[in-house]
Amino acid sequence: ETVLTQSPGTLSLSPGERATLSCRASQSVSSAYLAWYQHKPGQAPRLLIYGTSNRATGIPERFSGSGSGTDFILTISRLEPEDFAVYYCQQYDKSPPMYTFGQGTKLEIK
Amino acid sequence: QMQVQESGPGLVKPSGTLSLICTVSGDSLTSYHWWSWVRQPPGKGLEWIGEIHHSGGTNYDPSLKSRVTISVDLSKNQVSLQLSSVSAADTALYYCVGQGAIGYSYTYWGQGTLVTVSS
Repeated sequence: ETVLTQSPGTLSLSPGERATLSCRASQSVSSAYLAWYQHKPGQAPRLLIYGTSNRATGIPERFSGSGSGTDFILTISRLEPEDFAVYYCQQYDKSPPMYTFGQGTKLEIK
Repeated sequence: QMQVQESGPGLVKPSGTLSLICTVSGDSLTSYHWWSWVRQPPGKGLEWIGEIHHSGGTNYDPSLKSRVTISVDLSKNQVSLQLSSVSAADTALYYCVGQGAIGYSYTYWGQGTLVTVSS
């Protein structure tokens, strides 16, 4: 089973700043199988990035994903007030078939 | 526009069985291959429970496999979750999620339903 470790646990930034969130896997993950979600209180999580670097429908260009192997990054180029939330990475294992999530990074207003 | 709605009892007794239904509207659930259940215990992160293909094939998280059953009813456009021998550790917000056309990620999410395990 692949374990995803996200860092930092909490990131305190101001609107307009750049956010860099990390997701490290315990073993290599196919780029096609890595996704990122945004989760706000009282709402369902929202898919941001799939296949490591592809923005989901309706996701602003300030969100971008990168990485390969065991290290993946979600970057928010210039933070808007609505971006403060919890972010999760997620990956798929082929054998046995299963998904795992990272523990989350809370992005809070400084 | 596909919509996903979870329903079921909000309170389950310890050692009992948790049963939830996910109703998909706005499209057939066969339009997308896999449907899953994900949960979030209070104050914690997201946990994957398992998935079902609309043809009936299933995959489960190994740690829950002995207690979980996910099934599909195409005639009702519904997916069901049963979790047996529950304890307080199973208290969580339970989400029904669908992969959509992309695969390996979840496009469609219900609003979630809170299930508390308590006597």
